[in-house]
Amino acid sequence: AQTVTQSQPEMSVQEAETVTLSCTYDTSESDYYLFWYKQPPSRQMILVIRQEAYKQQNATENRFSVNFQKAAKSFSLKISDSQLGDAAMYFCAYRTKIYMDSNYQLIWGAGTKLIIKP
Amino acid sequence: DSGVTQTPKHLITATGQRVTLRCSPRSGDLSVYWYQQSLDQGLQFLIQYYNGEERAKGNILERFSAQQFPDLHSELNLSSLELGDSALYFCASSSGSLARQETQYFGPGTRLLVL
Repeated sequence: AQTVTQSQPEMSVQEAETVTLSCTYDTSESDYYLFWYKQPPSRQMILVIRQEAYKQQNATENRFSVNFQKAAKSFSLKISDSQLGDAAMYFCAYRTKIYMDSNYQLIWGAGTKLIIKP
Repeated sequence: DSGVTQTPKHLITATGQRVTLRCSPRSGDLSVYWYQQSLDQGLQFLIQYYNGEERAKGNILERFSAQQFPDLHSELNLSSLELGDSALYFCASSSGSLARQETQYFGPGTRLLVL
Protein backbone atom coordinates (compact mmCIF):
# COMPACT_ATOMS: atom_id res chain seq x y z
CA ALA A 1 0.00 0.00 0.00
CA GLN A 2 1.09 3.51 -0.69
CA THR A 3 2.28 5.64 2.21
CA VAL A 4 3.21 9.29 2.62
CA THR A 5 5.64 10.47 5.29
CA GLN A 6 6.23 13.99 6.51
CA SER A 7 9.07 13.76 8.98
CA GLN A 8 8.92 17.34 10.22
CA PRO A 9 6.02 17.85 12.66
CA GLU A 10 6.87 21.54 12.92
CA MET A 11 9.06 24.04 11.09
CA SER A 12 9.70 27.72 11.67
CA VAL A 13 11.10 30.39 9.39
CA GLN A 14 11.79 34.08 9.58
CA GLU A 15 9.48 36.25 7.53
CA ALA A 16 10.86 36.90 4.02
CA GLU A 17 13.17 33.90 4.16
CA THR A 18 12.92 30.54 2.41
CA VAL A 19 11.80 27.27 3.96
CA THR A 20 11.60 23.72 2.62
CA LEU A 21 9.10 21.15 3.84
CA SER A 22 9.93 17.53 3.17
CA CYS A 23 7.73 14.68 2.03
CA THR A 24 8.59 11.14 1.04
CA TYR A 25 6.29 8.48 -0.25
CA ASP A 26 6.31 4.84 -1.08
CA THR A 27 4.67 3.33 -4.13
CA SER A 28 5.21 0.71 -6.77
CA GLU A 29 3.29 2.68 -9.35
CA SER A 30 4.94 4.70 -12.07
CA ASP A 31 2.04 6.98 -12.81
CA TYR A 32 0.56 9.15 -10.06
CA TYR A 33 0.05 12.69 -8.79
CA LEU A 34 1.49 14.45 -5.79
CA PHE A 35 -0.08 17.42 -4.04
CA TRP A 36 0.65 19.93 -1.34
CA TYR A 37 -2.36 21.28 0.54
CA LYS A 38 -2.33 24.10 3.06
CA GLN A 39 -4.63 24.19 6.09
CA PRO A 40 -4.60 27.59 7.85
CA PRO A 41 -6.16 28.14 11.28
CA SER A 42 -9.55 28.46 9.59
CA ARG A 43 -9.15 24.70 8.87
CA GLN A 44 -10.01 25.21 5.20
CA MET A 45 -8.02 22.80 2.99
CA ILE A 46 -6.42 24.74 0.15
CA LEU A 47 -4.55 23.31 -2.80
CA VAL A 48 -1.07 24.80 -3.04
CA ILE A 49 0.59 22.90 -5.85
CA ARG A 50 0.49 19.60 -7.71
CA GLN A 51 3.05 17.54 -9.59
CA GLU A 52 2.56 14.95 -12.29
CA ALA A 53 4.85 11.98 -11.83
CA TYR A 54 5.60 11.58 -15.51
CA LYS A 55 6.76 15.20 -15.81
CA GLN A 56 10.40 15.82 -15.02
CA GLN A 57 9.93 19.56 -14.66
CA ASN A 58 9.25 20.69 -11.12
CA ALA A 59 5.92 22.47 -10.60
CA THR A 60 5.93 26.13 -9.59
CA GLU A 61 3.16 28.42 -8.37
CA ASN A 62 4.40 31.91 -7.61
CA ARG A 63 6.44 31.66 -4.37
CA PHE A 64 5.79 27.94 -4.07
CA SER A 65 7.84 25.34 -5.89
CA VAL A 66 8.55 21.66 -5.50
CA ASN A 67 11.65 19.52 -5.74
CA PHE A 68 10.40 16.24 -7.16
CA GLN A 69 12.91 13.40 -7.06
CA LYS A 70 11.04 10.43 -8.51
CA ALA A 71 13.78 7.85 -8.03
CA ALA A 72 14.20 8.88 -4.42
CA LYS A 73 10.41 9.16 -3.95
CA SER A 74 10.81 12.61 -2.51
CA PHE A 75 8.53 15.60 -2.99
CA SER A 76 9.59 18.67 -1.02
CA LEU A 77 7.87 22.05 -1.00
CA LYS A 78 9.91 25.24 -1.07
CA ILE A 79 8.31 28.48 0.04
CA SER A 80 10.25 31.59 -0.94
CA ASP A 81 9.88 35.02 0.62
CA SER A 82 7.80 33.59 3.47
CA GLN A 83 4.84 35.70 4.54
CA LEU A 84 2.82 35.73 7.75
CA GLY A 85 -0.15 34.38 5.79
CA ASP A 86 1.83 31.25 4.97
CA ALA A 87 1.51 30.07 8.56
CA ALA A 88 -0.51 26.86 8.42
CA MET A 89 -0.41 23.09 8.46
CA TYR A 90 0.94 21.74 5.20
CA PHE A 91 -0.11 18.31 4.03
CA CYS A 92 1.55 16.27 1.35
CA ALA A 93 -0.76 13.90 -0.52
CA TYR A 94 -0.34 11.13 -3.07
CA ARG A 95 -3.03 10.12 -5.46
CA THR A 96 -3.41 6.47 -6.26
CA LYS A 97 -5.85 4.33 -8.17
CA ILE A 98 -8.75 2.66 -6.46
CA TYR A 99 -10.12 -0.67 -7.55
CA MET A 100 -8.08 -0.58 -10.75
CA ASP A 101 -10.35 1.93 -12.41
CA SER A 102 -9.89 5.61 -13.05
CA ASN A 103 -10.96 6.87 -9.66
CA TYR A 104 -8.29 8.19 -7.39
CA GLN A 105 -7.96 8.30 -3.63
CA LEU A 106 -5.70 10.76 -1.86
CA ILE A 107 -3.20 9.28 0.59
CA TRP A 108 -2.19 11.91 3.16
CA GLY A 109 0.88 12.63 5.22
CA ALA A 110 0.55 13.62 8.86
CA GLY A 111 1.27 17.27 8.15
CA THR A 112 3.93 19.85 9.02
CA LYS A 113 3.05 22.90 11.05
CA LEU A 114 4.76 25.97 9.60
CA ILE A 115 5.40 28.92 11.90
CA ILE A 116 6.38 32.27 10.45
CA LYS A 117 8.41 34.51 12.75
CA PRO A 118 7.89 38.24 12.16
CA ASP B 1 -13.36 30.19 -2.18
CA SER B 2 -13.21 26.67 -3.61
CA GLY B 3 -16.82 26.65 -4.79
CA VAL B 4 -17.65 23.68 -2.56
CA THR B 5 -20.19 24.45 0.16
CA GLN B 6 -20.89 22.53 3.32
CA THR B 7 -23.62 22.95 5.91
CA PRO B 8 -23.80 23.29 8.80
CA LYS B 9 -20.48 24.84 9.76
CA HIS B 10 -20.78 23.67 13.33
CA LEU B 11 -22.82 20.93 14.94
CA ILE B 12 -23.08 20.00 18.60
CA THR B 13 -25.00 16.91 19.57
CA ALA B 14 -25.16 14.15 22.15
CA THR B 15 -23.98 10.58 22.08
CA GLY B 16 -26.42 8.19 20.47
CA GLN B 17 -27.88 10.83 18.21
CA ARG B 18 -27.95 11.01 14.42
CA VAL B 19 -26.85 13.93 12.26
CA THR B 20 -26.74 14.75 8.56
CA LEU B 21 -23.99 16.76 6.93
CA ARG B 22 -24.61 18.33 3.56
CA CYS B 23 -22.26 19.14 0.70
CA SER B 24 -22.76 20.92 -2.60
CA PRO B 25 -19.95 20.34 -5.10
CA ARG B 26 -18.47 22.89 -7.44
CA SER B 27 -20.57 23.61 -10.48
CA GLY B 28 -19.97 20.90 -13.04
CA ASP B 29 -18.18 18.50 -10.69
CA LEU B 30 -19.57 14.97 -10.66
CA SER B 31 -17.46 13.41 -7.92
CA VAL B 32 -17.87 14.03 -4.22
CA TYR B 33 -15.52 12.77 -1.53
CA TRP B 34 -15.99 12.72 2.22
CA TYR B 35 -13.11 12.92 4.68
CA GLN B 36 -12.81 12.89 8.46
CA GLN B 37 -10.11 14.85 10.26
CA SER B 38 -9.78 14.24 13.98
CA LEU B 39 -7.96 16.72 16.18
CA ASP B 40 -4.35 17.26 15.12
CA GLN B 41 -4.48 14.43 12.63
CA GLY B 42 -4.43 14.02 8.90
CA LEU B 43 -7.40 13.27 6.76
CA GLN B 44 -9.06 9.89 6.58
CA PHE B 45 -10.91 9.11 3.38
CA LEU B 46 -14.43 7.90 4.03
CA ILE B 47 -16.30 7.49 0.78
CA GLN B 48 -16.60 8.74 -2.80
CA TYR B 49 -19.61 9.19 -5.04
CA TYR B 50 -19.60 9.77 -8.75
CA ASN B 51 -22.73 11.01 -10.50
CA GLY B 52 -25.00 9.46 -7.89
CA GLU B 53 -23.22 6.14 -7.51
CA GLU B 54 -20.86 4.98 -4.82
CA ARG B 55 -17.39 4.61 -6.34
CA ALA B 56 -15.00 3.92 -3.50
CA LYS B 57 -15.03 3.27 0.21
CA GLY B 58 -12.32 4.05 2.70
CA ASN B 59 -12.36 3.82 6.47
CA ILE B 60 -16.06 4.46 6.87
CA LEU B 61 -17.84 2.97 9.84
CA GLU B 62 -21.04 0.98 9.40
CA ARG B 63 -22.81 3.63 11.50
CA PHE B 64 -22.02 6.13 8.75
CA SER B 65 -23.66 6.29 5.36
CA ALA B 66 -23.76 8.69 2.47
CA GLN B 67 -25.58 9.35 -0.74
CA GLN B 68 -25.40 11.64 -3.72
CA PHE B 69 -28.62 13.03 -5.13
CA PRO B 70 -29.63 13.72 -8.76
CA ASP B 71 -28.67 17.39 -8.34
CA LEU B 72 -25.22 16.08 -7.27
CA HIS B 73 -25.30 17.36 -3.73
CA SER B 74 -24.30 14.80 -1.16
CA GLU B 75 -25.23 13.99 2.41
CA LEU B 76 -23.22 12.15 5.02
CA ASN B 77 -25.32 10.53 7.72
CA LEU B 78 -23.73 9.73 11.05
CA SER B 79 -25.77 7.67 13.50
CA SER B 80 -25.39 6.26 17.03
CA LEU B 81 -22.81 8.95 17.57
CA GLU B 82 -19.92 8.37 19.94
CA LEU B 83 -17.53 10.81 21.57
CA GLY B 84 -14.82 9.66 19.20
CA ASP B 85 -16.82 10.81 16.20
CA SER B 86 -16.07 14.42 17.13
CA ALA B 87 -14.04 15.71 14.21
CA LEU B 88 -13.93 18.00 11.24
CA TYR B 89 -15.72 16.49 8.27
CA PHE B 90 -14.65 17.67 4.85
CA CYS B 91 -16.34 17.30 1.56
CA ALA B 92 -14.32 17.64 -1.62
CA SER B 93 -15.35 17.58 -5.24
CA SER B 94 -13.67 16.98 -8.55
CA SER B 95 -14.75 16.92 -12.13
CA GLY B 96 -14.91 13.15 -12.07
CA SER B 97 -13.57 12.90 -15.56
CA LEU B 98 -11.14 10.19 -16.43
CA ALA B 99 -8.49 12.77 -17.13
CA ARG B 100 -5.62 12.45 -14.70
CA GLN B 101 -5.48 16.17 -14.24
CA GLU B 102 -8.51 16.30 -12.00
CA THR B 103 -7.90 17.79 -8.61
CA GLN B 104 -10.00 17.65 -5.47
CA TYR B 105 -11.25 20.98 -4.12
CA PHE B 106 -12.33 21.10 -0.52
CA GLY B 107 -15.24 22.72 1.24
CA PRO B 108 -14.81 24.62 4.52
CA GLY B 109 -15.73 21.58 6.60
CA THR B 110 -18.32 20.83 9.26
CA ARG B 111 -17.11 20.76 12.86
CA LEU B 112 -18.94 18.05 14.76
CA LEU B 113 -18.78 17.92 18.53
CA VAL B 114 -20.36 14.98 20.28
CA LEU B 115 -20.96 15.51 24.01
